[in-house]
Amino acid sequence: GDSVTQMEGPVTLSEEAFLTINCTYTATGYPSLFWYVQYPGEGLQLLLKATKADDKGSNKGFEATYRKETTSFHLEKGSVQVSDSAVYFCALSDNTGTASKLTFGTGTRLQVTL
Amino acid sequence: EPEVTQTPSHQVTQMGQEVILRCVPISNHLYFYWYRQILGQKVEFLVSFYNNEISEKSEIFDDQFSVERPDGSNFTLKIRSTKLEDSAMYFCASSMDRGDGNTIYFGEGSWLTVV
Repeated sequence: GDSVTQMEGPVTLSEEAFLTINCTYTATGYPSLFWYVQYPGEGLQLLLKATKADDKGSNKGFEATYRKETTSFHLEKGSVQVSDSAVYFCALSDNTGTASKLTFGTGTRLQVTL
Repeated sequence: EPEVTQTPSHQVTQMGQEVILRCVPISNHLYFYWYRQILGQKVEFLVSFYNNEISEKSEIFDDQFSVERPDGSNFTLKIRSTKLEDSAMYFCASSMDRGDGNTIYFGEGSWLTVV
């Protein structure tokens, strides 16, 4: 079945550092790929998405490129802020059933310090 | 911005009791979902619902679970006889359609503790 593998956390960075959170996937067909973020005490929010190979999703300074050849969707940000501290989830949607169904990674906790 | 709302935010229940978690999806959405996240584990798909019927369910969604859309706005998850291992955060979600790249919007979750 489909699966998503994320790098283990927590990731601790100083403000303005470069962020990479690795995500690889296994899926049949051509899934859509997503990054969701969960800030403390809040629900899951869509951060960015990409629907086909070589698409780049971007939002709030974060970006990720759908790489079919390496089955990856790594999340990057050039300069993190304290307010980026949250748990980040990589997910894929198989788009094959009647309704979209997301398969999530385990989540990576990011802690940004001053 | 429209959002998915869930109640209660936190519920403590005794093992064997019935629990109903409630959700108000985004008003013009057509697809509805429940996911759960056991503490420290992955967010897992439970069930999807479209056109007043279940469209897909996972192995987790056994006979103890049921979903209902009793009126035009609410979407509920019922656990008939709770077990300790049902303790988790339950997320309701909704989407406009299921096309490629369809975005699923999540609520803030209902934290269920079974004691």
